Amino acid sequence: AQSVTQPDIHITVSEGASLELRCNYSYGATPYLFWYVQSPGQGLQLLLKYFSGDTLVQGIKGFEAEFKRSQSSFNLRKPSVHWSDAAEYFCAVGGGRGSYIPTFGRGTSLIVHP
Amino acid sequence: DAGVIQSPRHEVTEMGQEVTLRCKPISGHDYLFWYRQTMMRGLELLIYFNNNVPIDDSGMPEDRFSAKMPNASFSTLKIQPSEPRDSAVYFCASSYGNEQFFGPGTRLTVL
Repeated sequence: AQSVTQPDIHITVSEGASLELRCNYSYGATPYLFWYVQSPGQGLQLLLKYFSGDTLVQGIKGFEAEFKRSQSSFNLRKPSVHWSDAAEYFCAVGGGRGSYIPTFGRGTSLIVHP
Repeated sequence: DAGVIQSPRHEVTEMGQEVTLRCKPISGHDYLFWYRQTMMRGLELLIYFNNNVPIDDSGMPEDRFSAKMPNASFSTLKIQPSEPRDSAVYFCASSYGNEQFFGPGTRLTVL
C-alpha cells in the first residue's frame, strides 16, 4: 500500500529565509509525486509534480522539489520565503494512469514571520 | 474553464437534516473525487468516479453518505441524516491524467 509521511506538522520561518518541507513516501514501484498548497479557505492547488526524468522539479511560485529514490523522499524547497507563502502544504504519491489514486500526507502548516 | 465548481460554499444545518453537496467538474475530465477534510483526520478520500461510474466508495464513512454522478458534468454527495461529526470541509476534485484539480470546498456545519 502506498503512504506518505510529512514529519513536520508546523514549520515557522522568517520572511526571506529558505524553506525545506519534508516528505517521505512508500510505494512499490516508480511513484508519481506531487506537492499541493492550500491557502486558508481555498482548495488545493498543484505546485509541482514528478513523473520521471530529471529528479529536480521546478514548480510554480518559485518552489522546487527533489526526488531521491534512495531515501524515498520528495522534499519541497524555496530559497526565499514570502509572507504570502503561509499556507498548508500537502505531499501526495500515486501511480500511473490506471492506478492513479493519490494518497495525501497529513500536511505541513507553514507560518511566516515578518 | 472556470475550474471545479462546488455549491454551496457554506452550509449550516441541524442534526438529522438532509444535506446535498454539489460539484461540477472541469469539462473533459474523466475522474471525479470527493474528499473530506478535518483537523483530526486530515484529507480523506470518500469516493471516486471514472466516466460517471463509482469505482471505489470504501472511504464513505457510513450508509448515511451517498454519492451520484448522473452525467459527466455533475455530481452530488448526500448525507442523510446529518450528524454533528459530519462537520468538515468537503472537496470535489476532477482529473484527466495524473493532476487533480480541486474545487474551493463546501464548509459544512451540523449543529
